[in-house]
Amino acid sequence: DAKTTQPPSMDCAEGRAANLPCNHSTISGNEYVYWYRQIHSQGPQYIIHGLKNNETNEMASLIITEDRKSSTLILPHATLRDTAVYYCIVRVAKANSKLTFGKGITLSVRP
Amino acid sequence: NAGVMQNPRHLVRRRGQEARLRCSPMKGHSHVYWYRQLPEEGLKFMVYLQKENIIDESGMPKERFSAEFPKEGPSILRIQQVVRGDSAAYFCASSPRGRGGTDTQYFGPGTRLTVL
Repeated sequence: DAKTTQPPSMDCAEGRAANLPCNHSTISGNEYVYWYRQIHSQGPQYIIHGLKNNETNEMASLIITEDRKSSTLILPHATLRDTAVYYCIVRVAKANSKLTFGKGITLSVRP
Repeated sequence: NAGVMQNPRHLVRRRGQEARLRCSPMKGHSHVYWYRQLPEEGLKFMVYLQKENIIDESGMPKERFSAEFPKEGPSILRIQQVVRGDSAAYFCASSPRGRGGTDTQYFGPGTRLTVL
């Protein structure tokens, strides 16, 4: 699986959009970009994934650049409960392949 | 639709004892994965199982650790003769059968193992 690079931390104000970047310059054509988050010591929570098109669900939006070398997870209106470690994971589109977690980015939402 | 269930949530063992961690996948999911998170470290894949089959155990320590997913009942991660270094959070995830982005893994709340 391709490696991802994320800044170690960032913060944003409550109610504002949080834009979390991720670099995956060695991504292959058959690899998906997945985002999970881990709030405190809870189990990782699935957020969203995509291959090459931008994706949106009730939690977030995922913007993937045209060359697929980077992506941005957008939380449109961050709340204090969004404070967590966010993991950007590149995963080969092989059936039921494992997830390889990096260090993630710690998002702190301030009041 | 209940999520992935794990029990116990907290488990305390003394060195040399056995630890058994259980995971019930989401309804309709036939694939189970175990991950371990050591203190202040990231999550590491351990093993991937389907019913009655171990598919990928590349992340399992070679000794003392075993996993099963029987035809009936939950998946079990078993750690024999625990040592202090086994203290960690153990997370189970499940997914449906699929490929091409349709086999998203959903995680349980974890079991926190403390070895005294």
